[in-house]
Amino acid sequence: EVQLVQSGTEVKKPGESLKISCKTSGYTFTSHWIGWVRQMPGKGLEWMGIIYPDDSDTRYGPSFQGQVTISADKSISTAYLQWSSLKASDTAMYYCARQTIVGSYAMDVWGQGTTVTVS
Amino acid sequence: DIQMTQSPSSLSASIGDRVTITCRASQSISTYLNWYQQKPGKAPKLLIYAASSLQSEVPSRFSGSGSGTDFTLTITSLQPEDFATYYCQQSYSTLRTFGPGTKVDIK
Repeated sequence: EVQLVQSGTEVKKPGESLKISCKTSGYTFTSHWIGWVRQMPGKGLEWMGIIYPDDSDTRYGPSFQGQVTISADKSISTAYLQWSSLKASDTAMYYCARQTIVGSYAMDVWGQGTTVTVS
Repeated sequence: DIQMTQSPSSLSASIGDRVTITCRASQSISTYLNWYQQKPGKAPKLLIYAASSLQSEVPSRFSGSGSGTDFTLTITSLQPEDFATYYCQQSYSTLRTFGPGTKVDIK
């Protein structure tokens, strides 16, 4: 069974750094792009970026370029999303999701989400 | 960037109703269009990929159509578990984008 398990709830102060994780299992980690999606409280889904774990090729959405860093560790089949200096506006739910390698490259399996509160 | 719009932003419907949600892309995306369902407090779930292909284990009352810039998600007979928010997403561009969502609630 394909699973993406995300790290737990985080409560941080403005200016602090943070790295959240997305541990995958049940498939070949290096064969699928992994994406990150933000959902601010009461709002819609925002595509943040994706990474191809095999070579760490990474793409960012315009609103997130320079604001976050997406990375991956092939040895433990885990993707990461990190901030160097959090802002209150980073308060949101963050999801990771696997992208399919055939068809329309949809996000077919999702993590359970990580709540980040910056206050 | 490719912008996605959805209409309506919300709708109220009854059990058994036929529901149609429209998604429009700011440029042609062929059939690189996906639909997701999200229930409160839950992660999104893939319903339809490549505009009209039903994801495994998704009920057949869900269907998708369209190509180019205009797409439709249809629920033929709304069930209690279908009350949720629905998002379209384009995967034509490397920089994916979601539509703003359509909330379906009980009339």
